Amino acid sequence: AQSVSQHNHHVILSEAASLELGCNYSYGGTVNLFWYVQYPGQHLQLLLKYFSGDPLVKGIKGFEAEFIKSKFSFNLRKPSVQWSDTAEYFCAVKDNDYKLSFGAGTTVTVRA
Amino acid sequence: ETGVTQTPRHLVMGMTNKKSLKCEQHLGHNAMYWYKQSAKKPLELMFVYSLEERVENNSVPSRFSPECPNSSHLFLHLHTLQPEDSALYLCASSQDSGRTDTQYFGPGTRLTVL
Repeated sequence: AQSVSQHNHHVILSEAASLELGCNYSYGGTVNLFWYVQYPGQHLQLLLKYFSGDPLVKGIKGFEAEFIKSKFSFNLRKPSVQWSDTAEYFCAVKDNDYKLSFGAGTTVTVRA
Repeated sequence: ETGVTQTPRHLVMGMTNKKSLKCEQHLGHNAMYWYKQSAKKPLELMFVYSLEERVENNSVPSRFSPECPNSSHLFLHLHTLQPEDSALYLCASSQDSGRTDTQYFGPGTRLTVL
């Protein structure tokens, strides 16, 4: 199974600031990539996913992610965050089996 | 709104108790999963069921016993747990268990073992 690294453990930023969260996975081949978000007290929700095609993927709530195959990366971005984006964000990778491998998560705190 | 529900949402149990966690999916999916979420660690896959057959037991101790009576329901039976088993237990489902299938998660059961 893949090993998934999320570089930032905790990110604190102000409203309207730009956000970028890093995600790298361990080995190549055909992969499917996901970002999930967990708002305080809520369940894990799918933000966006990449299966094939355009490596720049747009998701819900203004988030996007870019798949760079040569770097084994799938970084998440949002140009201008809101207080409501305070949550924990998880990158996940699935390759040739059914196992979804998760990163340890990044806690994002947005200050009003 | 989630198509995957879990009960109970919180559970406190002693090490000698026996309890069960329940998961139900309303999405018409064929695969269901149990994960363990501990603080600051990646989600750990515990069990996978596809069409009610167990396809994965990810080196989980026998004190955790899954049951999948049909494609909509999944249980996790707990007995003689240890304090280190305290965690958030998440259930998920997907259409099938293939690479292109997206998993949808329930809200989890917060388990505390005293």
